[in-house]
Amino acid sequence: QSVLTQPPSVSGAPGQRVTISCTGSSSNIGADYDVHWYQQLPGTAPKLLIYGNINRPSGVPDRFSGSKSGTSASLAITGLQAGDEADYYCQSYDSSLSVVFGGGTKLTVL
Amino acid sequence: EVQLVESGGGLVQPGGSLRLSCAASGFSFSRYWMHWVRQVPGKGLVWVSRITSDGSTTTYADSVKGRFTVSRDNAKNTLYLQMNSLRPEDTAVYYCASEVVVGAHYGMDVWGQGTTVTVSS
Repeated sequence: QSVLTQPPSVSGAPGQRVTISCTGSSSNIGADYDVHWYQQLPGTAPKLLIYGNINRPSGVPDRFSGSKSGTSASLAITGLQAGDEADYYCQSYDSSLSVVFGGGTKLTVL
Repeated sequence: EVQLVESGGGLVQPGGSLRLSCAASGFSFSRYWMHWVRQVPGKGLVWVSRITSDGSTTTYADSVKGRFTVSRDNAKNTLYLQMNSLRPEDTAVYYCASEVVVGAHYGMDVWGQGTTVTVSS
């Protein structure tokens, strides 16, 4: 059981917008720790997608955006493309500064 | 090219030991915090351990505390994970990853390709 809760799967048609939620608690996200998001394409290592709740590393399209409020965070993907099909993970920290991950969300592009 | 390359994975019997290495190149390794993250194929990411840039502080997941030891050699640009008393549930792909920490934490921005550890008799 992961410390951060994500939906197991989401789906959307090409061009549509999807959101992936990440729910934590007062011990992690709610304690004002930053949330980061990772994309893991099939058979590859994870890739940093969003850092510090809302920031995109260089090279990440602005179709990807992050937000955070209270004990939750969200990743939004607009203009869905077939190449976005992947597993997405949120990550934060807990009160001992240990790292906590969400269980992952599989995005299917219909 | 910024790169992390893990090595040292393999098949080991329960109760055995293994040492993983992660060689860094293309960036200032000594300025980064480093992590080990594992993943059972088909399952999610699980954080294992972290070490600060100067190696002074280490942190472990409860599941490996007392059995695994993370260390680094900044002169060799290499991260290590010594794994003792291995259990079948430690079977996974092990990734090393780097993180910039300057006041705030900036996420794990460079990942290795992973090395597979299989614990089985």
